[in-house]
Amino acid sequence: AQKITQTQPGMFVQEKEAVTLDCTYDTSDQSYGLFWYKQPSSGEMIFLIYQGSYDEQNATEGRYSLNFQKARKSANLVISASQLGDSAMYFCAMREYSGAGSYQLTFGKGTKLSVIP
Amino acid sequence: DTGVSQNPRHKITKRGQNVTFRCDPISEHNRLYWYRQTLGQGPEFLTYFQNEAQLEKSRLLSDRFSAERPKGSFSTLEIQRTEQGDSAMYLCASSLPNTGGYHEQYFGPGTRLTVT
Repeated sequence: AQKITQTQPGMFVQEKEAVTLDCTYDTSDQSYGLFWYKQPSSGEMIFLIYQGSYDEQNATEGRYSLNFQKARKSANLVISASQLGDSAMYFCAMREYSGAGSYQLTFGKGTKLSVIP
Repeated sequence: DTGVSQNPRHKITKRGQNVTFRCDPISEHNRLYWYRQTLGQGPEFLTYFQNEAQLEKSRLLSDRFSAERPKGSFSTLEIQRTEQGDSAMYLCASSLPNTGGYHEQYFGPGTRLTVT
């Protein structure tokens, strides 16, 4: 069963506008973490923002904010004031504890964001 | 500032050959992960090391795959008798233990494998 769902394969946004990238997740754990990573064409995964399941406030990091709706199991990424350099693939991921000490990440299929000048 | 490094960045090999990739994590990170990313997909977990111990292996890690982290520092991932389905980006990530609850993973640039 897919645990992370990103329903938008591709998104376009005008430069300087805000954009929301959707992510829903599925887990029965009470304690979990949600991450967003950016992957430019170079391939490296760049950490953007983190939300813990017990965090009461929505996470923010500069132009990135996470709209966390626990009851709906959604963790949407909002990018404000889009820049041309924001054009990349964006992945939502959930941290799961395996019981063997591993906190591996389960990723969605990603959303390709294109910023239009 | 030395992040996670991976070598080689690109590898082209013929079907049936063996290949080995190397990952050098951030020096103080004792947790190391390998992921595989195929075209159009997100990364998928392969295996996990805590120091030199391999504690977790995904079902994706067939018996043709072996990973080591002999001294708890760098790690190698070997694929024997490569198949075309092994063509993918192989990503390595490392993290500190219990970093404020984040367990944030820092990724390397990846090794892109093409099997012809």
